[in-house]
Amino acid sequence: KAGVTQTPRYLIKTRGQQVTLSCSPISGHRSVSWYQQTPGQGLQFLFEYFSETQRNKGNFPGRFSGRQFSNSRSEMNVSTLELGDSALYLCASSLGPSRSLGLNYEQYFGPGTRLTVT
Amino acid sequence: QQQVKQSPQSLIVQKGGISIINCAYENTAFDYFPWYQQFPGKGPALLIAIRPDVSEKKEGRFTISFNKSAKQFSLHIMDSQPGDSATYFCAARGDKIIFGKGTRLHILP
Repeated sequence: KAGVTQTPRYLIKTRGQQVTLSCSPISGHRSVSWYQQTPGQGLQFLFEYFSETQRNKGNFPGRFSGRQFSNSRSEMNVSTLELGDSALYLCASSLGPSRSLGLNYEQYFGPGTRLTVT
Repeated sequence: QQQVKQSPQSLIVQKGGISIINCAYENTAFDYFPWYQQFPGKGPALLIAIRPDVSEKKEGRFTISFNKSAKQFSLHIMDSQPGDSATYFCAARGDKIIFGKGTRLHILP
């Protein structure tokens, strides 16, 4: 079974631009979560989608948004990029949403998209 | 405000030794505590997880010990191998999942 795929793997953008990152979950998984990973702040939760609905959101500004499509693929968008948005953006998929029990909640991470803002 | 505190930040262990990483949490509503392993250039991978109604869970060389009253849990890696050299993250799940800052583990050959 193919794992979680993220595209692109690397991205360089200029401050003020916007960016869209894509995540394809494991086949059959309906939940997708996004995380930002930086050396200083570590792994921080951005948002979670299940069945095309945002179920949860982390403490990030409104410039960060996402969506999920009917095939469970997800995109996240960052508008008006700032230097501090440079990070590894990780997507994780699971069978069920947060608060699921057992195997339904085990999250599988993709390799991430390395975003550099200059 | 960080709700999951992980220590140490880095750890060096001799091959064959026991690696121990500790985490403490504040929110008693957390109901699921996973540990992740991350190699450079890769996303985190689930290693082992525990629920608060269990005090210990073992999978191969990896054991989670959980102390609900102290709000602490730890990962023990027995017979540590050079291939275990990676960054380890503890996490706790409530309405959302909170990660520790990570421990960079290096196993000396």
